[in-house]
Amino acid sequence: DVVLTQSPDYLAVSLGERATINCKSSQSLLYRSTYKDYLAWYQQKPGQPPKLLLYWASTRESGVPDRFSGSGSGTDFTLAINTLQAEDVAIYFCQQYYYTPLTFGGGTRVEI
Amino acid sequence: QLLVQDSGPGMVKTSETLSLTCNVSAAFIRSSSFFWGWIRQSPGKGLDWIGSVSYNGNTLLNASLKSRVSISIDTSENHFSLHLSSVTAADTAIYYCARGRYLIEGGWFDSWGLGKLVTVSS
Repeated sequence: DVVLTQSPDYLAVSLGERATINCKSSQSLLYRSTYKDYLAWYQQKPGQPPKLLLYWASTRESGVPDRFSGSGSGTDFTLAINTLQAEDVAIYFCQQYYYTPLTFGGGTRVEI
Repeated sequence: QLLVQDSGPGMVKTSETLSLTCNVSAAFIRSSSFFWGWIRQSPGKGLDWIGSVSYNGNTLLNASLKSRVSISIDTSENHFSLHLSSVTAADTAIYYCARGRYLIEGGWFDSWGLGKLVTVSS
């Protein structure tokens, strides 16, 4: 199975500052014929299901604020949250969809 | 709401079968643009994909559970279902149903049910 390793496990950021979360894949998620990376990012708040933020590593889902951005390719990816807001306190997960079984990273908890 | 996870028992006895149903908006369940998945989350842990089903009944299952899991879809009743047999305490988790986009072989989940906590005990 493809292992997604997120770092750090926990991140404390001041309001208005930038948070960056890393996701490293045990195998490349880049599909060369389309130059697309098969990686998504989710946000999960306490007591709620995950919410899709990004897919294709950097494409924002409709309605997601533009302070959320994704970058990276191949095996190394980053989720950045610019100008952190109080409502961004959550756990963030990456998910790969290049290989089955579909797998998720272990999550990164972001707090103020 | 797009996905409504129905009752289904919140507690299942060891060695029995866990059964859950997810009701889907009729506008989407027959669409070939989507697939439908089950994902679980053990208390305080990460997310594990269980399997997915397409509108025409094709399924893709996590090999780690394949011998115990079945997923089906009933587009006439607007729901899809999960059955997990021979459960143990390790199957205690919040079970989510979700709508997938792109391909059943690989896609992301853009809408999730609220989740159902299922506890396995003797």
